[in-house]
Amino acid sequence: DGGITQSPKYLFRKEGQNVTLSCEQNLNHDAMYWYRQDPGQGLRLIYYSQIVNDFQKGDIAEGYSVSREKKESFPLTVTSAQKNPTAFYLCASSIVGQEPTGYTFGSGTRLTVV
Amino acid sequence: AQSVAQPEDQVNVAEGNPLTVKCTYSVSGNPYLFWYVQYPNRGLQFLLKYITGDNLVKGSYGFEAEFNKSQTSFHLKKPSALVSDSALYFCAVIIYEGSWGKLQFGAGTQVVVTP
Repeated sequence: DGGITQSPKYLFRKEGQNVTLSCEQNLNHDAMYWYRQDPGQGLRLIYYSQIVNDFQKGDIAEGYSVSREKKESFPLTVTSAQKNPTAFYLCASSIVGQEPTGYTFGSGTRLTVV
Repeated sequence: AQSVAQPEDQVNVAEGNPLTVKCTYSVSGNPYLFWYVQYPNRGLQFLLKYITGDNLVKGSYGFEAEFNKSQTSFHLKKPSALVSDSALYFCAVIIYEGSWGKLQFGAGTQVVVTP
């Protein structure tokens, strides 16, 4: 079945460490996205990518980095510069084209700083 | 500014009663509207969308939504709520930047259905 796989489901990080969250899709979607979700704050866009080797900052990119070396993969690194990284992180993908389409979401990664 | 709003943080309804979750939007051009549902510690699941055509859109799990252009609204409805409908619901609208559109999400509405 086609879909988006995020791993790990739960991740614990010590302060000062960088961690990388994985996002893989087999939907042949061109665009991929990373969102952060905090209680009561909805979804906030971190980074997005329309094509391989290109990505743009979203609304809260500081302290995060991404790469898009393959169409299927869009990993997110939470760096030590992110002061409050504890949150639920969601990856999504979509088709890029004339027909407006929605996004397909992964199941999320819950990151906790210990 | 183009945006989407969900005016209620939480909606409480008794099982078997009608459920309505409100959404209003502000976009230039034609609105492309979506509803998603999120269960605890899970990703968002697509419920339904309005692109064009009939103002009443039917979706998954018995949900429907009514597009009202004059009121710029896209309220989600279910005639008879179930306890299992308790979840977080997001309305979203496509915002175009040039030729490519991104989904912009509302803040979400928590639905609590009591037995």
